[in-house]
Amino acid sequence: KQEVTQIPAALSVPEGENLVLNCSFTDSAIYNLQWFRQDPGKGLTSLLLIQSSQREQTSGRLNASLDKSSGRSTLYIAASQPGDSATYLCAVIEDDKIIFGKGTRLHILP
Amino acid sequence: AAGVIQSPRHLIKEKRETATLKCYPIPRHDTVYWYQQGPGQDPQFLISFYEKMQSDKGSIPDRFSAQQFSDYHSELNMSSLELGDSALYFCASSLGGGGNYGYTFGSGTRLTVV
Repeated sequence: KQEVTQIPAALSVPEGENLVLNCSFTDSAIYNLQWFRQDPGKGLTSLLLIQSSQREQTSGRLNASLDKSSGRSTLYIAASQPGDSATYLCAVIEDDKIIFGKGTRLHILP
Repeated sequence: AAGVIQSPRHLIKEKRETATLKCYPIPRHDTVYWYQQGPGQDPQFLISFYEKMQSDKGSIPDRFSAQQFSDYHSELNMSSLELGDSALYFCASSLGGGGNYGYTFGSGTRLTVV
């Protein structure tokens, strides 16, 4: 059974710092991996989708990498801003389902 | 661009009542997924439909049922509501059953059972 783990569970950093969120999964037979952002009580906003044949995707200040063989993905956020404060969810996409990690709660200190 | 539309946004029901949540996928998306997210929890998979047929089933209680209609919208019917059913219910859609192009989530329906 696929398990998705995100470390750390919570993170507070000063504004302007670069940071890395980690995601690991136990079964490397995945289709894709998708990173989401969720603000409190709100919906899930897709940030980046990495297909299994890709190793990384970039969007603005965000860069996500995928290493299927080791079962790891990282989300790199450059020059963090207070508006980046949210919960970041890593999700593994298998044949017909998406499996979420428990998320990293990120707080950017002004 | 059109997104996944869920209605209602908020719903308050009493115990033992019935609720119906609706989901309108992105145009041309043929697959719909329902998730339940309790306070402080990650989303839990309930059920999915591909081309109007149930494709997978997760931790959906027997009191809940769902279907996908000919226009690909989906409805989640919840009966005999319990306090523990209070949660955020998300619908997601994708093109194709395998999620090759990723999932797009709606803004959710917040159900409060009192």
